[in-house]
Amino acid sequence: GNSVTQMEGPVTLSEEAFLTINCTYTATGYPSLFWYVQYPGEGLQLLLKATKADDKGSNKGFEATYRKETTSFHLEKGSVQVSDSAVYFCALSEWQGGKLIFGQGTELSVKP
Amino acid sequence: EAQVTQNPRYLITVTGKKLTVTCSQNMNHEYMSWYRQDPGLGLRQIYYSMNVEVTDKGDVPEGYKVSRKEKRNFPLILESPSPNQTSLYFCASRNSDRLNTEAFFGQGTRLTVV
Repeated sequence: GNSVTQMEGPVTLSEEAFLTINCTYTATGYPSLFWYVQYPGEGLQLLLKATKADDKGSNKGFEATYRKETTSFHLEKGSVQVSDSAVYFCALSEWQGGKLIFGQGTELSVKP
Repeated sequence: EAQVTQNPRYLITVTGKKLTVTCSQNMNHEYMSWYRQDPGLGLRQIYYSMNVEVTDKGDVPEGYKVSRKEKRNFPLILESPSPNQTSLYFCASRNSDRLNTEAFFGQGTRLTVV
C-alpha cells in the first residue's frame, strides 16, 4: 500500500540555520503531497502542498518540490526561527476515500 | 472563522466506560474523518465519512464507532474503551475527497484510558 517515510527526529538547530527534513513516499498513481505543521498543543495545519510532478509548494519561507523520479518531497527553509519549532508531517492524499497517509512526524526545535 | 471543533480536549476514563468525542465543522464540508496520533506512527485514519449517512472504515477502526446524521457533526464513539486506545485524536474535514483539497484539523482530544 501507499506509505510515507520521514527522517527521524528530533532535529535541533540554531536560529538562522538551514533546514532540510527528508520525505519519501511510495504510491500508485499520482498522489498529491502535503506538509502539515503541528505547533505545541494545537491541531495540524497545512503548510504547503504540491499536486503534480515538479510542482513547488511554498509558504512562510518553507519550500518543497514534488520529485516523481526520486519519489521525494523534502521540506527546506533557508533560515529558521525559534517560532518554527513544531512537529512537521509529510503526507500524501490517496485517491480512494480521500485518505491522507502521514509520515511519522519530525520534531524541530530551534534554539536562539 | 472556519474551524473544526472537538470536545473535550482532555479526557481520562476507566476501561469499559462508554464515551463520545464530538466533532463539528462550520465549513459545509462533505468529507470528515477521525485520526489517532501515536508516537513514531504519525496519524492513522480510524473512520471517514463522505457525506451524511455515508461512513466507512479507515486503517484502524477496531473498537470505534462513528455516525454522520448531520453534515456538520461527526462524533467518535468508544463503546468499551481499553488502555490501548489511549492516544491523541484528531477530527478533520475536507471540502471533497479530491486529491488536492486541504484538510482542516481540530485541536485534538487527548484520551487516557486507565
